[in-house]
Amino acid sequence: DIQMTQSPSSLSASVGDRVTITCRASQTITYYLNWYQQKPGRAPKLLIYGASSLQGGVPSRFSGSGSGTDFTLTISSLQPEDSATYSCQQTYTTPITFGQGTRLEIK
Amino acid sequence: QVQLHQSGPGLVKPSQTLSLTCAISGDSVSSNSGAWNWIRQSPSRGLEWLGRTYYRSKWYNDYAISVKSRIIINPDTSKNQFSLQLSSVTPEDTAVYYCASGPGGMDVWGQGTTVTVSS
Repeated sequence: DIQMTQSPSSLSASVGDRVTITCRASQTITYYLNWYQQKPGRAPKLLIYGASSLQGGVPSRFSGSGSGTDFTLTISSLQPEDSATYSCQQTYTTPITFGQGTRLEIK
Repeated sequence: QVQLHQSGPGLVKPSQTLSLTCAISGDSVSSNSGAWNWIRQSPSRGLEWLGRTYYRSKWYNDYAISVKSRIIINPDTSKNQFSLQLSSVTPEDTAVYYCASGPGGMDVWGQGTTVTVSS
């Protein structure tokens, strides 16, 4: 199985801050990397697919980059509603695997 | 707009079979571009992909190794839905179960079903 490792596991930032979350794959996944946002009691919501493509309806402050094994999710200017858990997912091969999640708290 | 709606019991006894259904609207389970997934989430395991079914001139299934001996995912073309059966459940199978689909990432999710394995 391809292991997906996210860092940090949690972070706290202020409104307006630039926030970066990283995801590393245990082997190359080219650009088959997706990012999700999940709020308590809700299903995950797709933010970024194909490493850098913004899902329709997602605010442009969210962006993704990377290829191969190293990827980042960036929130350019943090908003209060961005408080959530963020998870990466590889769909390069089965079994599809997820990172362990990054909990983002707004100070 | 594709929507997924889950149904099934929230309580299953140990050693029995967990059965959930995911009804599809706005797309076809037989679509040549769709893939229909089951995912679960628990505090101990996080998000865990269980398997998928998809049609590309014939039906295919992929399953996670961790459940491969106990899982069946079946499409039902007559009802435009797909199902999950997980046999011989234990308390470790307690989780929120989701169905999900998407051409790249999974952009459509069911509402989630909390399944508790307990006698």
